[in-house]
Amino acid sequence: KAGVTQTPRYLIKTRGQQVTLSCSPISGHRSVSWYQQTPGQGLQFLFEYFSETQRNKGNFPGRFSGRQFSNSRSEMNVSTLELGDSALYLCASSLGGARTDTQYFGPGTRLTVL
Amino acid sequence: AQSVTQLDSQVPVFEEAPVELRCNYSSSVSVYLFWYVQYPNQGLQLLLKYLSGSTLVESINGFEAEFNKSQTSFHLRKPSVHISDTAEYFCAVSDSTGGGNKLTFGTGTQLKVEL
Repeated sequence: KAGVTQTPRYLIKTRGQQVTLSCSPISGHRSVSWYQQTPGQGLQFLFEYFSETQRNKGNFPGRFSGRQFSNSRSEMNVSTLELGDSALYLCASSLGGARTDTQYFGPGTRLTVL
Repeated sequence: AQSVTQLDSQVPVFEEAPVELRCNYSSSVSVYLFWYVQYPNQGLQLLLKYLSGSTLVESINGFEAEFNKSQTSFHLRKPSVHISDTAEYFCAVSDSTGGGNKLTFGTGTQLKVEL
């Protein structure tokens, strides 16, 4: 089975722009979660989608949004980029989204905001 | 809400020596614990997890972790490390707040294996 794929792998943007990141989960997985990883804050949960519905959200401003499509693929969008948004954005998928389900991570998208 | 503490940010160790990476958690509900490993420029890979049953869980590459409810710990151990074990290790708890499948991670421990 193919793993979780994320596109693009690297992205450079300037302040004020917006960006869309894409995540394709493992086939059959219905839950997709997003995490932000930075040296200062570590790994922080952004949001989780299950069957096209946002089921859980972390403590991030409204500039961070996401969606999930009927094929479970997910996108996250960051509007009005700030320098502090520079990070590795990781997507993870799990089978049914239960607390006991293992989350499988993609390689991440490295976003640099200049 | 749950939280995870990894007190050691870096652990240097010589090859073939034993290692222990410490993880403590706080939770008021049933606990599901995970250890993930991250190699440079890669995502996270699951090493092992504790859901219920035997408190000692093992991975396929020689790591093991023991769930200790009284000490609220889930330390990761390996009796003999290899240079290829050099990576960052994250302990995580499945967070019950808000429903769904949300992981709360510790700050990570960088394991550096030296020859």
